[in-house]
Amino acid sequence: AAGVIQSPRHLIKEKRETATLKCYPIPRHDTVYWYQQGPGQDPQFLISFYEKMQSDKGSIPDRFSAQQFSDYHSELNMSSLELGDSALYFCASSLTGGNEKLFFGSGTQLSVL
Amino acid sequence: GEDVEQSLFLSVREGDSSVINCTYTDSSSTYLYWYKQEPGAGLQLLTYIFSNMDMKQDQRLTVLLNKKDKHLSLRIADTQTGDSAIYFCAESGGSSGGYQKVTFGTGTKLQVIP
Repeated sequence: AAGVIQSPRHLIKEKRETATLKCYPIPRHDTVYWYQQGPGQDPQFLISFYEKMQSDKGSIPDRFSAQQFSDYHSELNMSSLELGDSALYFCASSLTGGNEKLFFGSGTQLSVL
Repeated sequence: GEDVEQSLFLSVREGDSSVINCTYTDSSSTYLYWYKQEPGAGLQLLTYIFSNMDMKQDQRLTVLLNKKDKHLSLRIADTQTGDSAIYFCAESGGSSGGYQKVTFGTGTKLQVIP
């Protein structure tokens, strides 16, 4: 079965650069979630989208923005990168109104040097 | 707000049973999950339980939910070395608009000794 696809798998950036992470949800899933997991930390919720509209917002810095497109894929845009942004970024998708379980992608490992 | 807590570390011998415990605070939780994360890997959904259930069994995994005490546990029977990983308890439900954002616990690192 198709799973949540994230790209790239690894990304290395320097301070003050920008990065774009992509997430392709499971087909027919209409809700996408972004999580950030720092080293040795539990995943922290950043933001979610339902039917291309922002549905919930967590601890997402103002330097980050995200959107969900008409094909339901989502992109997380990160600007003015800081060393502390180095983390594993997970995307998850679910079918709101269905069984609503979240399925996670393998994550994008972002390293800011 | 939601808060999910777990013990940080558990060590068991291969073949024994493992029990990982979790407590949560959000009484409106709808689903409670157990995720497994191996080093450098993503989050794998192991099992979940709906809040109106008190037990769910799935092969070697048994989930027990005490809703009154807001306590969730995961029992792994006949623990194998391949079970070594970090196990996250998580809950969802009660968020605005019904969108099921998941809140994770701190994770329990399970070490299986051969």
